[in-house]
Amino acid sequence: SQTIHQWPATLVQPVGSPLSLECTVEGTSNPNLYWYRQAAGRGLQLLFYSVGIGQISSEVPQNLSASRPQDRQFILSSKKLLLSDSGFYLCAWSLQGRSPLHFGNGTRLTVT
Amino acid sequence: RKEVEQDPGPFNVPEGATVAFNCTYSNSASQSFFWYRQDCRKEPKLLMSVYSSGNEDGRFTAQLNRASQYISLLIRDSKLSDSATYLCVVILNDYKLSFGAGTTVTVRA
Repeated sequence: SQTIHQWPATLVQPVGSPLSLECTVEGTSNPNLYWYRQAAGRGLQLLFYSVGIGQISSEVPQNLSASRPQDRQFILSSKKLLLSDSGFYLCAWSLQGRSPLHFGNGTRLTVT
Repeated sequence: RKEVEQDPGPFNVPEGATVAFNCTYSNSASQSFFWYRQDCRKEPKLLMSVYSSGNEDGRFTAQLNRASQYISLLIRDSKLSDSATYLCVVILNDYKLSFGAGTTVTVRA
């Protein structure tokens, strides 16, 4: 069966520091991969999605970037965090086609 | 107009009651529909798909009304453990998904 791993679970970082969140999927090949952010009490905001290695689409312009160096690895990065980057970051995967998303456990990021 | 809209609630219901709520979508070309459940400070988890003919999974019933462009979720015999935020998801194409902001349900003893 397929599993998704996302880490770390919790992160506290100062403003201006870099960020790297990693997500890996097991048990499937060539999944669609997604990064979402959820601010406190708010809905899910799609940040990036990827349909294949090296293919990244950005939904919202910001100081974040994403990379997919391997088929089942998706990384979210920032060179300099802002206070507004605080939130709950969720990685998700889906099969190709109109399939539902399956989420990782999420990373709760607090920028201080 | 938002692509997907949900009544945020909260719906406060006693144990054993039935609760139902809708989710409207704006794009008539939407292809697939799902309900997710999200507990506080946790990731969303797939609850059920929504099929054109309507479908049931235990105490949960989902329906799709394409003419009026909404999906619905009905929970029968509510349990305390059903307290959560329920998110609807509408898929337009292979990568284009839209999430509703969620409907909060609180089941009280």
